[in-house]
Amino acid sequence: AQKVTQAQTEISVVEKEDVTLDCVYETRDTTYYLFWYKQPPSGELVFLIRRNSFDEQNEISGRYSWNFQKSTSSFNFTITASQVVDSAVYFCALSEAMVGYSTLTFGKGTMLLVSP
Amino acid sequence: DGGITQSPKYLFRKEGQNVTLSCEQNLNHDAMYWYRQDPGQGLRLIYYSQIVNDFQKGDIAEGYSVSREKKESFPLTVTSAQKNPTAFYLCASKASGTNTGELFFGEGSRLTVL
Repeated sequence: AQKVTQAQTEISVVEKEDVTLDCVYETRDTTYYLFWYKQPPSGELVFLIRRNSFDEQNEISGRYSWNFQKSTSSFNFTITASQVVDSAVYFCALSEAMVGYSTLTFGKGTMLLVSP
Repeated sequence: DGGITQSPKYLFRKEGQNVTLSCEQNLNHDAMYWYRQDPGQGLRLIYYSQIVNDFQKGDIAEGYSVSREKKESFPLTVTSAQKNPTAFYLCASKASGTNTGELFFGEGSRLTVL
């Protein structure tokens, strides 16, 4: 069975600090997909990134960057120079590449609070 | 604009009553999902549907029922058998035939049982 662990329940930082959100996953499949979603106070989950298991290149998008390491089964998310608008709950998720449809397994989320 | 619409946004229910949450999408997605979110618990899958007139139980289906009579609609009924129904409910959809596509979410419905 697949599992996603986000050990950090809540993180508080001051604006402009860098912050890393940890994600560790478990799966028996060799082909799988990892995701990060952001849930602002409005409630809707917003897709941030998808990474497949064969692509271990790190990715940078503006102030966001992701570090995927298969050796440690981790897919960590770093926000550089955090802003108040980054305050949200962030979810890491895993999808196994089964034949047909599969479902996403979510971690319990990390609440990020960025204060001015 | 394409997207997922959930209604109502807030709902109050007395114990022993059934309640139905609406989820409509105009993204032409085949697959639709219902998740439940509790504080500190993340998202847990209730039911999902791959195509019209077909659906499967997720991890916490007990006390819930769904139907999928139309491609764009996937309503969730929270029955009186659900012992702890107060939660935030999220509906999502995904493009057909792929395990790689991300889920698109609605804004959620918050159910409170009085």
